[in-house]
Amino acid sequence: AQTVTQSQPEMSVQEAETVTLSCTYDTSESNYYLFWYKQPPSRQMILVIRQEAYKQQNATENRFSVNFQKAAKSFSLKISDSQLGDTAMYFCAFMKHDRNDMRFGAGTRLTVKP
Amino acid sequence: NAGVTQTPKFQVLKTGQSMTLQCAQDMNHNSMYWYRQDPGMGLRLIYYSASEGTTDKGEVPNGYNVSRLNKREFSLRLESAAPSQTSVYFCASNGQVNQPQHFGDGTRLSIL
Repeated sequence: AQTVTQSQPEMSVQEAETVTLSCTYDTSESNYYLFWYKQPPSRQMILVIRQEAYKQQNATENRFSVNFQKAAKSFSLKISDSQLGDTAMYFCAFMKHDRNDMRFGAGTRLTVKP
Repeated sequence: NAGVTQTPKFQVLKTGQSMTLQCAQDMNHNSMYWYRQDPGMGLRLIYYSASEGTTDKGEVPNGYNVSRLNKREFSLRLESAAPSQTSVYFCASNGQVNQPQHFGDGTRLSIL
């Protein structure tokens, strides 16, 4: 079974600074998808970014970017110019190609301090 | 745009009671999912429905049943609630396999 590990239960960052959240996963598959979801205190699950394993280029969405290292099975999220609204739980998730079941990591609680 | 709607938002049950959590999506998505979220753990898949008329077990299906009533609706039933089922339950949907899932706001369920 695929496992997703987020080794940082909690992190904090000063407003306007950059922070990187770590995620590693274990799989024998070669084709799969990786996601970062954000869960603010409102409890909504919001998609932040998506990466397809067959694409070597790292995905970017405005201030959010990933460092995808396929050989190392690592998928970190970088948040640049952190804002107070970025305070949330962040979940890394893995999905095999052509499958519906997604596996989530335990999450990292990020606090952005003013 | 409603997206994915879950009802109720909160519920308290006594051990042994039954309960159905409702989920509806208005995005014409084929696939729907039920997850549970427990403290210190990520979301875990209970059941999913890849398309209308089909359902499959996820990672933690024991103690639950599901019904894909039509394309829009996917319900989760606890036949005899147990304290271990105290959790926040999320419903999600997506249009195609491997597309991002859209989540509802969750149902906080407490079983005493």
